[in-house]
Amino acid sequence: DAGVTQSPTHLIKTRGQQVTLRCSPKSGHDTVSWYQQALGQGPQFIFQYYEEEERQRGNFPDRFSGHQFPNYSSELNVNALLLGDSALYLCASSPGTSVRNEQFFGPGTRLTVL
Amino acid sequence: AQSVAQPEDQVNVAEGNPLTVKCTYSVSGNPYLFWYVQYPNRGLQFLLKYITGDNLVKGSYGFEAEFNKSQTSFHLKKPSALVSDSALYFCAVRDRNYGGSQGNLIFGKGTKLSVKP
Repeated sequence: DAGVTQSPTHLIKTRGQQVTLRCSPKSGHDTVSWYQQALGQGPQFIFQYYEEEERQRGNFPDRFSGHQFPNYSSELNVNALLLGDSALYLCASSPGTSVRNEQFFGPGTRLTVL
Repeated sequence: AQSVAQPEDQVNVAEGNPLTVKCTYSVSGNPYLFWYVQYPNRGLQFLLKYITGDNLVKGSYGFEAEFNKSQTSFHLKKPSALVSDSALYFCAVRDRNYGGSQGNLIFGKGTKLSVKP
């Protein structure tokens, strides 16, 4: 049973460009959350998708947007990249939206903005 | 506002000795608490969680954590540390009264555990 997978593993972009990161949830999971982990910090919540809709959003600007597909996979899009967007982007999945459920994390995508 | 504090940036332990990684939290209601571990260039792996019931929670790889409501703490412990336990440990909280849907996890800044042979 495959866990959460993310692609690509690493990505290098320049300021002002746009980027799309992809995530496939663990089998049987229908809820996907995205987190940004800056160097030396804990992950910070970006948003959560369930039933192809954004359900929760953290304190991130509109440059950060997402999408969930019918097969529960998800994309994170970041427009007009800034140097400060350089971070490890983590995708997490869970079965349903119960607050009791732990989230299972993927290995992350390391984004470097030059 | 919800928050998590991990007061130690790094914890150093000799192999075979007990270890403790500290975590305190702040939520408006009752908490759900989680511990995750992160190895270099890897995502976070779930260790254990406190939802309700017994204050001592047992998790993966011999780790356990004790929920203390009066001290608002959820310290991670292991009776005998292994060199392979060396990693970055994150405590996270979710307010069970967040409302309806899952609500995001609030993470601490992490504690680097170093176990020496």
